This record gives sequence, C-alpha cells and structure tokens, in this order.
Amino acid sequence: NAGVTQTPKFQVLKTGQSMTLQCAQDMNHNSMYWYRQDPGMGLRLIYYSASEGTTDKGEVPNGYNVSRLNKREFSLRLESAAPSQTSVYFCASREEGFSYEQYFGPGTRLTVT
Amino acid sequence: ELKVEQNPLFLSMQEGKNYTIYCNYSTTSDRLYWYRQDPGKSLESLFVLLSNGAVKQEGRLMASLDTKARLSTLHITAAVHDLSATYFCAAEAAGNKLTFGGGTRVLVKP
Repeated sequence: NAGVTQTPKFQVLKTGQSMTLQCAQDMNHNSMYWYRQDPGMGLRLIYYSASEGTTDKGEVPNGYNVSRLNKREFSLRLESAAPSQTSVYFCASREEGFSYEQYFGPGTRLTVT
Repeated sequence: ELKVEQNPLFLSMQEGKNYTIYCNYSTTSDRLYWYRQDPGKSLESLFVLLSNGAVKQEGRLMASLDTKARLSTLHITAAVHDLSATYFCAAEAAGNKLTFGGGTRVLVKP
C-alpha cells in the first residue's frame, strides 16, 4: 500500500517549457487535490477532482491544467512555465463519508528559471 | 471567501510547559483540519474535527472546535523536542475546498 505517490520529486524548467506532474493513489479515494506551497506559507489549492471525470478550480488555477485520467490518477500540467510557478507541489486524496482525512504525497519541488 | 488565520506565527516553547495555537476562520465551515509538517517533508494529518464541540486528543496534542466562535485550538501539553515542526490548520467550505492557514512554526527548546 503506497498511499499517494508523485513523480518527479525534483524538476528544473526554463521559462516557457511545459511539463506534467503525475499523481496516483491506491486507496480507492474519490477526491483528489493539487496544492502548491511557497516558502514559509501554507498550502493553496490549485485544482481538485471530486470524482473520476470531474475537475474544478481552486484558489490559484491560472497557468495550470489538470486531468483526472481514472480513479487512481490525477495529473497537473504547466503549459508554459513561469518563474512565479517555482514552488513545491503536493497531491492529496481524501476518504469521503467517514473520517474525511486527507492523505498527502511526498511533493514535487519545481524550480523555473 | 473563506479566510483562515493562525496565531502565533512562531512559538518558542520550553520543554515541559503547555501552549496553545489558535486558528480562526471567517465563514461557516464544514470541517476543520490540523496537520504537522517537518522541514522538507510532506504534511501529516493530525486531526479532523467534524462538528461543534468536537475534541480530539493524541498523545500531547489536543484539538477542539467551536463553530459558533469560528475558532479551533491546538493545545500542546508538556512540550517535548519531538514536537518541533510547523503546524497548519485548514477549514473546509462547501464544495470540498480546503483553505489553509499560514502555519505556526514551533520550536521546543530544552
């Protein structure tokens, strides 16, 4: 039982390059989330998916797109990276209807130069 | 728009003493969460508080929720070095969206 996994762990991009961050969970959770964490700050919600086939914007969606490929996988794409997107990105999934506990992946540290 | 404020931002603790972290939120919230984050690591779930008056305890940590005051507290009893970390609260508005506070950095000194 791996929980929530993310790839890659680290990435350096040049301004204007694109990339996709991958996230997968093996807990059969319906809800999945993408957050970013800037230094010394709390997490901010980028996008979330309440179930397979649905996605919705969070607090800071500009510059990002997401795909809920199936129940397990939720990817985050940066089409044209900007230095302001330098951050640590966390994926999470949540158990609904009982504990509502949210489980986080290990994070992807992204630097855009 | 839901806003979440934590205070203090930084808490220097002495081992063996008791402390409280406060989490205020601006609008009605379905649930309140507490997390711990060690430097360079991911977030670890501590508590999920589901209703007014909810109180949960794990070891030296106890969290409570007052929905009328829109306030949650995280109480640390007899602080020990292992509790040094950053603690975040998050409130959930309708639609599964969590809003996080800015975090409280805790340093426990001998």
